[in-house]
Amino acid sequence: ETGVTQSPTHLIKTRGQQVTLRCSSQSGHNTVSWYQQALGQGPQFIFQYYREEENGRGNFPPRFSGLQFPNYSSELNVNALELDDSALYLCASSLRRAGLTDTQYFGPGTRLTVL
Amino acid sequence: DQQVKQNSPSLSVQEGRISILNCDYTNSMFDYFLWYKKYPAEGPTFLISISSIKDKNEDGRFTVFLNKSAKHLSLHIVPSQPGDSAVYFCAASSNQGAQKLVFGQGTRLTINP
Repeated sequence: ETGVTQSPTHLIKTRGQQVTLRCSSQSGHNTVSWYQQALGQGPQFIFQYYREEENGRGNFPPRFSGLQFPNYSSELNVNALELDDSALYLCASSLRRAGLTDTQYFGPGTRLTVL
Repeated sequence: DQQVKQNSPSLSVQEGRISILNCDYTNSMFDYFLWYKKYPAEGPTFLISISSIKDKNEDGRFTVFLNKSAKHLSLHIVPSQPGDSAVYFCAASSNQGAQKLVFGQGTRLTINP
């Protein structure tokens, strides 16, 4: 069974640029959630994708967007990068079933640095 | 508004003794609680969870206690081992909507030999 994978591991961008981060779900999972973890803080929920549609969003501006593909992999896109976007971006996958809350399993993260 | 709080940024425990990590929450809609462990340069690793219909869940050396009236949960690790040294995050979610996880700020646990 393959766990959650993310790419790239590290990324350096300059302010104003755009970035795409990628995530492959754990086998058998149909839901992907993205989190931002700033230094010294707990992860903050960005959004969740289920059946290729956004299924909930945290307090992040529209320049944060995402996609989920038929194989349940996902992308996080951030436009017009700002210095405060520097953080660890975590992807988590889970199996969503009606009426049940399922454990989210995390990937290793992508460390984004904005200069 | 910090809905999940871990008030101890760090904790130091001697090897073999019990480690107790605490977490408080404010949102009464939360009905599922989890603990994750995180090593540097890795993603959070799931440890143990508890549903609001229970007050205790045990898995090997790890036990989570939930006190709904106090909106408080704790993670007990016994006996503590050097490999337990990591940052521990408490997280909560609701069965409504996106079931997003709301995390505390984390507690850095150091196990001393």
